[in-house]
Amino acid sequence: DAKTTQPPSMDCAEGRAANLPCNHSTISGNEYVYWYRQIHSQGPQYIIHGLKNNETNEMASLIITEDRKSSTLILPHATLRDTAVYYCIVRVPMDSSYKLIFGSGTRLLVRP
Amino acid sequence: EPEVTQTPSHQVTQMGQEVILRCVPISNHLYFYWYRQILGQKVEFLVSFYNNEISEKSEIFDDQFSVERPDGSNFTLKIRSTKLEDSAMYFCASNLDRSSYEQYFGPGTRLTVT
Repeated sequence: DAKTTQPPSMDCAEGRAANLPCNHSTISGNEYVYWYRQIHSQGPQYIIHGLKNNETNEMASLIITEDRKSSTLILPHATLRDTAVYYCIVRVPMDSSYKLIFGSGTRLLVRP
Repeated sequence: EPEVTQTPSHQVTQMGQEVILRCVPISNHLYFYWYRQILGQKVEFLVSFYNNEISEKSEIFDDQFSVERPDGSNFTLKIRSTKLEDSAMYFCASNLDRSSYEQYFGPGTRLTVT
């Protein structure tokens, strides 16, 4: 039940913005878009989420297209510590909670 | 900051043996999950648990798997008779309530079946 597609890898220079795209053309109206990242096979770490509107927090910004078929995660000033695998995720509601459907991830390399 | 913990960090077992992976979710959380990640692949949902029962499970979660919350703090995943293809990283996660937006993941247990 693949719901998101991402480029397998990207790189950017330290201090520059990293823009990570994601396609989720089959997303349903009540399904949120989430982004997590994973450093070295550690547990996934929450970054940001959104439904329709663009969102910003202390880590990143999330831009969701009006038709909700794609989104972009923006790390405004990437640092070397941002090197990680970034997962675009659809949050699927269940009867009593929700589950996260992970994409294949984008391996981001931040170059010095 | 509260965190999800998992033990052991690495478990090696022989094919056909039973293993129990342990997790301590964040103390006031009510919803618990197991995910797994086969090496080089994406993270996959296995099962969710709420109010002392399974609320949803994936196709991967067959009769060989079971979950339990034996004492109000631990949350365990048991694999009854391990197979080579069960080798993976297993992540436990929890969230506070149905509307809370963040699932908190533990550091994972690497299971190696030989």
